[in-house]
Amino acid sequence: GAGVSQTPSNKVTEKGKYVELRCDPISGHTALYWYRQSLGQGPEFLIYFQGTGAADDSGLPNDRFFAVRPEGSVSTLKIQRTERGDSAVYLCASSLSPGTSGGSYNEQFFGPGTRLTVL
Amino acid sequence: TQLLEQSPQFLSIQEGENLTVYCNSSSVFSSLQWYRQEPGEGPVLLVTVVTGGEVKKLKRLTFQFGDARKDSSLHITAAQPGDTGLYLCAMKTSYDKVIFGPGTSLSVIP
Repeated sequence: GAGVSQTPSNKVTEKGKYVELRCDPISGHTALYWYRQSLGQGPEFLIYFQGTGAADDSGLPNDRFFAVRPEGSVSTLKIQRTERGDSAVYLCASSLSPGTSGGSYNEQFFGPGTRLTVL
Repeated sequence: TQLLEQSPQFLSIQEGENLTVYCNSSSVFSSLQWYRQEPGEGPVLLVTVVTGGEVKKLKRLTFQFGDARKDSSLHITAAQPGDTGLYLCAMKTSYDKVIFGPGTSLSVIP
């Protein structure tokens, strides 16, 4: 079956521009996560959705970053007034449902990412 | 300050050699995962360990969870070029939010 897909695969923009990154999760997955991965680093958590609502947005670096998931499926990560430091690979992941802390774990399936370059 | 530390950061070995990479933290893990990430792809889950002292094997890969659940190791026997990639350890927090370590970049030379 289809995995998590992300578009575009690459995005080059100029400093100060607005960008949108799209994530299509696996059908039926209620949980959706965004991560950012800088060169030579592990992915860094940005935001988590359970259904349509952002249950945890503690990883968003500042108010230039915003994400939506209006129908509980596709999600869009929006970055305003991009800066060169925003350049990274933005990864999306989805899972069936969140597990409980210390309890069962539902595997997260990752998309291939969108490589964002801000010139 | 990194919550998770991994060593070594880079590793380049010849095909057929054995290797071990390490993951540790000052915090106790409720569970720990190992992922492999290939260039241009997202991380793929290899294993989840939950119990202190637990050992899991996945073909030529052996994963060990420390008794105190603060460290873990991944041992690869007879490495092959297909093992090349970024190996990430990660811990799960509430809501399955995953916190990743910085990774070990492995290159297996034919």
